[in-house]
Amino acid sequence: SQQGEEDPQALSIQEGENATMNCSYKTSINNLQWYRQNSGRGLVHLILIRSNEREKHSGRLRVTLDTSKKSSSLLITASRAADTASYFCATTEYGNKLVFGAGTILRVKS
Amino acid sequence: DAGVTQSPTHLIKTRGQHVTLRCSPISGHKSVSWYQQVLGQGPQFIFQYYEKEERGRGNFPDRFSARQFPNYSSELNVNALLLGDSALYLCASSLGDRGNGYTFGSGTRLTVV
Repeated sequence: SQQGEEDPQALSIQEGENATMNCSYKTSINNLQWYRQNSGRGLVHLILIRSNEREKHSGRLRVTLDTSKKSSSLLITASRAADTASYFCATTEYGNKLVFGAGTILRVKS
Repeated sequence: DAGVTQSPTHLIKTRGQHVTLRCSPISGHKSVSWYQQVLGQGPQFIFQYYEKEERGRGNFPDRFSARQFPNYSSELNVNALLLGDSALYLCASSLGDRGNGYTFGSGTRLTVV
């Protein structure tokens, strides 16, 4: 079963705009990770935020984590057509497995 | 440096048949995990192997089995295939057995007809 939900399910924006995706989860976590998937192929790891962190940046990506609300957000600034993909959040609890949400489909129009 | 390699990339099988999927992790990575991704959904955890031992199993029937070899490569076997087994099967490797720093392969697209 999925850990939680991503919101929105789909997002369409113009190139240069910012894209924000949200993720909610159900259990306590060790860390939360965001992945990108192009055209139903392999997943690319974007960023990891630990349960004791509140915000993390990597290039044009900004991730926040609110453990009290069991939610996270991924912000992509100045989006590009190449950012068009599906984005998944995944949590880990006490070790090994990743528990993924259903994903957000992002389309960036040029 | 090669990433995670999966073979084959595409596969078509008939209901009731058996399938073996293969994964070679990044050099030096000792953990391999398998995930199933049905169209329109997020990946679901099937197995994790670390140092050739099973470290976790997801909610999948006994028709699914896996193993890890001394060189840390891994096989996922599925017996008595059902139409519902049609999915993208993803392999991920990591250095340790904790949930950090996974690298995924491009997956094997299995179609059961």
